[in-house]
Amino acid sequence: LAKTTQPISMDSYEGQEVNITCSHNNIATNDYITWYQQFPSQGPRFIIQGYKTKVTNEVASLFIPADRKSSTLSLPRGSLSDTAVYYCLVEAGGYNKLIFGAGTRLAVHP
Amino acid sequence: GAVVSQHPSRVICKSGTSVKIECRSLDFQATTMFWYRQFPKKSLMLMATSNEGSKATYEQGVEKDKFLINHASLTLSTLTVTSAHPEDSSFYICSARENNQPQHFGDGTRLSIL
Repeated sequence: LAKTTQPISMDSYEGQEVNITCSHNNIATNDYITWYQQFPSQGPRFIIQGYKTKVTNEVASLFIPADRKSSTLSLPRGSLSDTAVYYCLVEAGGYNKLIFGAGTRLAVHP
Repeated sequence: GAVVSQHPSRVICKSGTSVKIECRSLDFQATTMFWYRQFPKKSLMLMATSNEGSKATYEQGVEKDKFLINHASLTLSTLTVTSAHPEDSSFYICSARENNQPQHFGDGTRLSIL
């Protein structure tokens, strides 16, 4: 299973774009990159998943360079409600399990 | 779509009690379900993986006789913490996925053993 490395914590301000980068140097050919958000005392919530280049949905964008050894989750306009822990995970396409790293604790300030 | 319901959300019970936690996929067929444990300000730790109709696969260090997992249908998995003790107090979270789709998580169960 590919290991991921993220910053332990980040601070941002309301209205600013938030970018959280994750490195996964030993990602395999059939691995996907998935990001989850977790609020205290709740289960993680799926944000976005991608394989290469750029993926965008209604809440975030995911940028993956050609070598796929890193990825960046982008929240276009940070809000106070984005304060949470964000996990980057790499999983093989199919039925494989997810191994969570430490995640990034994001704090968005007024 | 992709809703996972976990019940109960909180349990407080005496030491020695067995506690059952249910995890249901409401609008999809969960071919695989996962159980995690999370301590305060820590990441999720995978306990076991279960496929419908098969025995669960436990991660190293997780006692299968202590944490009984049943995945009897494509929409329901249960975790039973047998003879729970204070050290079993934790936040337990389930997730479910349909084939190779992303996992979707329940809202967790906070277990407190007195």
